[in-house]
Amino acid sequence: AAGVIQSPRHLIKEKRETATLKCYPIPRHDTVYWYQQGPGQDPQFLISFYEKMQSDKGSIPDRFSAQQFSDYHSELNMSSLELGDSALYFCASSHGLYVDTQYFGPGTRLTVL
Amino acid sequence: AQKITQTQPGMFVQEKEAVTLDCTYDTSDPSYGLFWYKQPSSGEMIFLIYQGSYDQQNATEGRYSLNFQKARKSANLVISASQLGDSAMYFCAMREDTGRRALTFGSGTRLQVQP
Repeated sequence: AAGVIQSPRHLIKEKRETATLKCYPIPRHDTVYWYQQGPGQDPQFLISFYEKMQSDKGSIPDRFSAQQFSDYHSELNMSSLELGDSALYFCASSHGLYVDTQYFGPGTRLTVL
Repeated sequence: AQKITQTQPGMFVQEKEAVTLDCTYDTSDPSYGLFWYKQPSSGEMIFLIYQGSYDQQNATEGRYSLNFQKARKSANLVISASQLGDSAMYFCAMREDTGRRALTFGSGTRLQVQP
């Protein structure tokens, strides 16, 4: 079965640079969630989209923005990167906003030097 | 306040034995879902099992079962016949069905299966 695809899988950036993470949900899934997992921590919710509209916002810094496109893929844009942004970034998708299980992608490991 | 509590930072189990990973939760929402995810050292987050707050029976998925005790607000994961490949971090998570739809995770339990 098709899974959530994230690219790139690994990314190394310098402080103050920008980064764009991409997420391709499972086919027919219309809801995307972004989570950030710091080293040794549990995942923290950043932002979510349902049917191309932002549905909820968590602890996403103002330096970050995201959107969901007409084909349901989503991009997380990160600017003015800081050392503390180094983390594993997960995208998860589900079918619908209210019922279904969230299936996670493999994650993008971002390292900020 | 902590919504999901996993009190066992680490657990050891012998291969082929059963193990229970504890999870308690706190919510005032009458409708919610409880999930368990497995995170191997490679980093991916693998969905294991789901229990809805209105489900009358405990969920089971192969060797995984969820011991759901609603009055005690606990949702323990039971892994039967442990295998070496079960060694991983296990996260309990909750989704409240009103308000935020995102998952709230516990701090995780690292399980090590010994031969």
